[in-house]
Amino acid sequence: RKEVEQDPGPFNVPEGATVAFNCTYSNSASQSFFWYRQDCRKEPKLLMSVYSSGNEDGRFTAQLNRASQYISLLIRDSKLSDSATYLCVVNTLRDTGRRALTFGSGTRLQVQP
Amino acid sequence: DAGITQSPRHKVTETGTPVTLRCHQTENHRYMYWYRQDPGHGLRLIHYSYGVKDTDKGEVSDGYSVSRSKTEDFLLTLESATSSQTSVYFCAISESPGQGTEAFFGQGTRLTVV
Repeated sequence: RKEVEQDPGPFNVPEGATVAFNCTYSNSASQSFFWYRQDCRKEPKLLMSVYSSGNEDGRFTAQLNRASQYISLLIRDSKLSDSATYLCVVNTLRDTGRRALTFGSGTRLQVQP
Repeated sequence: DAGITQSPRHKVTETGTPVTLRCHQTENHRYMYWYRQDPGHGLRLIHYSYGVKDTDKGEVSDGYSVSRSKTEDFLLTLESATSSQTSVYFCAISESPGQGTEAFFGQGTRLTVV
């Protein structure tokens, strides 16, 4: 089983729609959670961190459910510029006792006019 | 933009040859990572470093080695390149892997092994 799993999509939505992505993680010792955005053939960039109480940044809302080990990202009022791949990222504990960032395979979003 | 550069940006090499990719940072961040990205797999961790001379294996470390002799440089070596190592390689840096800490990525190296 992958440490971080995401639905690969693609999610094809019209402009103005609300879309939600989920991500599950397997390591209950994971401490930190993030959503990154990656545009085609570009490097990933941080979209937002995910906090235990949930957090919002403009049209984006992230939530964490530790009991069920999943993270969600909600995008409201989708724009054409939101078209990208969204990567779920988890700070996982390695066998050595050190932590490293583990990425999901990403969910592709295509917003259509 | 964070000061992180990868070199080379593109490389074509032959099967069986050694290849070294370089990641250089000017941010003095403690953690440095090497990932590879392939269609359908997202970014997979190859190796990472949590300090000078301190490195650890990731989930796809076979066939790769790394070295970090100073804070700013993290080298990834393919000891004998194979076609399965054709990929896009990303280097990332962060102060720590903890909450609220952003990881910054280089622009990637596109490696083709023929």
